[in-house]
Amino acid sequence: AQRVTQVQPTGSSQWGEEVTLDCSYETSEYFYRIFWYRQLFSGEMVFLIYQPSFDTQNQRSGRYSVVFQKSFKSISLVISASQPEDSGTYFCALSEPPSNYNVLYFGSGTKLTVEP
Amino acid sequence: NSKVIQTPRYLVKGQGQKAKMRCIPEKGHPVVFWYQQNKNNEFKFLINFQNQEVLQQIDMTEKRFSAECPSNSPCSLEIQSSEAGDSALYLCASSLWTGVSNERLFFGHGTKLSVL
Repeated sequence: AQRVTQVQPTGSSQWGEEVTLDCSYETSEYFYRIFWYRQLFSGEMVFLIYQPSFDTQNQRSGRYSVVFQKSFKSISLVISASQPEDSGTYFCALSEPPSNYNVLYFGSGTKLTVEP
Repeated sequence: NSKVIQTPRYLVKGQGQKAKMRCIPEKGHPVVFWYQQNKNNEFKFLINFQNQEVLQQIDMTEKRFSAECPSNSPCSLEIQSSEAGDSALYLCASSLWTGVSNERLFFGHGTKLSVL
């Protein structure tokens, strides 16, 4: 069964716009974390931001922030002032430490194109 | 640039051939993960190590896949008898996992395996 779902296979925006990418997940654990990664065209996965389940405050890191709706088991990545360099595929991933040794369950990704 | 080094970047094998790929984790990272990403962006966790010891591995890994992380040598993942369904991007990641923390995984560029 799919643990992490990203229903938007693709997305687009214009330079400077705010972009929101959605993710939902399934877990029965009390402690878990949600990570967002961007996959470059080279294949490398670059860490963007993470949200721990025990923190009700939405995390922020530079132009990245999340909207964490714990009761709905959903989380959105918000990219402010998007730039063409932000183009790539964005993956949401669930981690349930320590029970599973930090293994990540990934969604199927959202391919974002930011037009200049 | 990624500090997790994976070689080779591309690997082409015939069905039934052995396929071996290597990974040098980021310096000081004792935990190493291998993931398989197929063309549909489905990720499959294969195996992880802490130092030289296996933490977890899936059934598939136990049968045709073998992996090791010897001390003072690169980690490796080997497919004993490649099948067409093994064609995928194989991602290596490392971390400082200490059990319960905000550890994140650092990924390499991956090895793209094509089984003809």
